[in-house]
Amino acid sequence: NAGVTQTPKFRILKIGQSMTLQCTQDMNHNYMYWYRQDPGMGLKLIYYSVGAGITDKGEVPNGYNVSRSTTEDFPLRLELAAPSQTSVYFCASSYVQGLFPSTDTQYFGPGTRLTVL
Amino acid sequence: KNEVEQSPQNLTAQEGEFITINCSYSVGISALHWLQQHPGGGIVSLFMLSSGKKKHGRLIATINIQEKHSSLHITASHPRDSAVYICAVLYNTDKLIFGTGTRLQVFP
Repeated sequence: NAGVTQTPKFRILKIGQSMTLQCTQDMNHNYMYWYRQDPGMGLKLIYYSVGAGITDKGEVPNGYNVSRSTTEDFPLRLELAAPSQTSVYFCASSYVQGLFPSTDTQYFGPGTRLTVL
Repeated sequence: KNEVEQSPQNLTAQEGEFITINCSYSVGISALHWLQQHPGGGIVSLFMLSSGKKKHGRLIATINIQEKHSSLHITASHPRDSAVYICAVLYNTDKLIFGTGTRLQVFP
């Protein structure tokens, strides 16, 4: 199993450009998450998905969009890049059974370092 | 004030030392995670616990729900333990709140 893979690893964008960060997992996990990590700050949840076709906002969703058309893929879209979106982005997944999501181990991708100039 | 506070922010140790990293939180939780972020950036889940104590190799995690506090201990520390250790808590919903991490450096 490759686990959680993310592409690209690095990207530089100009203000106003758009891009999609790709995330794929091959563990048949139902839950998937997008986080951003800013220097000196804890990870912040952007969006998450509890299964194909279902997504919901996290703590910092503004400026981002997601879709979950398959169990494996959870792309994150930046429509109009802004300098405030300079960050490291992590995708994660977990297999959730029962009543209490996120009590299960989350598996993280290697991250995408994005700079907006 | 952050809902999850970790201490210390930075920690240096000599190889072989016993390490303790602390995590305090201000909200009622149903679970707490300890994560390790490698120097290259990758994040690995170490423990998930909701009560008591868990042990995995040289790592021990404890939690005191009443005191809203958790500790991560590393016995016989080694340079390969050098990483950022992150505490994260789950409360009310299915989303985690992360601490800012403790940067550990272990020197030979």
